Amino acid sequence: GENVEQHPSTLSVQEGDSAVIKCTYSDSASNYFPWYKQELGKGPQLIIDIRSNVGEKKDQRIAVTLNKTAKHFSLHITETQPEDSAVYFCAASGGGTASKLTFGTGTRLQVTL
Amino acid sequence: EAQVTQNPRYLITVTGKKLTVTCSQNMNHEYMSWYRQDPGLGLRQIYYSMNVEVTDKGDVPEGYKVSRKEKRNFPLILESPSPNQTSLYFCASSWQGNSPLHFGNGTRLTVT
Repeated sequence: GENVEQHPSTLSVQEGDSAVIKCTYSDSASNYFPWYKQELGKGPQLIIDIRSNVGEKKDQRIAVTLNKTAKHFSLHITETQPEDSAVYFCAASGGGTASKLTFGTGTRLQVTL
Repeated sequence: EAQVTQNPRYLITVTGKKLTVTCSQNMNHEYMSWYRQDPGLGLRQIYYSMNVEVTDKGDVPEGYKVSRKEKRNFPLILESPSPNQTSLYFCASSWQGNSPLHFGNGTRLTVT
């Protein structure tokens, strides 16, 4: 089955700096790569996703890049703000409607003033 | 408002006492799933359902049961809970397995 590794497990940045979280996956058939943000006491919420036919996707301060050859994808957050502090999860899903998401182990991002 | 609703939010029980965690979604999603979240392990899938009366095991199904009699509901059943099932549980739904998941706010279960 799919295996997703996520690094780093914790990340501390100063407000205004950029943050990068990296994930690798094992199944070359995986074609859907979402990122979720989990705030304290809440369920994960989708912030951005990318499919394998696209190399990069941006949404304001957030971007995701995908390298299918190397089987890794990354989340980039620019101009970080205190409200970006949360746990972030990457995930990968194989082909087909029955395929399931396999999650990474999470990154705790702390944005300091 | 589109949402996934789980109940209860917090549950403390004793070993062996059957319990059910309810999950309901109002988005007419076909796909529903249960995850458990443990420190350092991320989110691991317990069971999922592609549609009414269609359920299948995820990565960690032992000790759990589910049912999908109606499209909107997907309860998680622990027939004989054990301390190693102490965890944070999330229900989620989506149009299909390979599409964005909507999560509930979680149920924190403690089994003593």
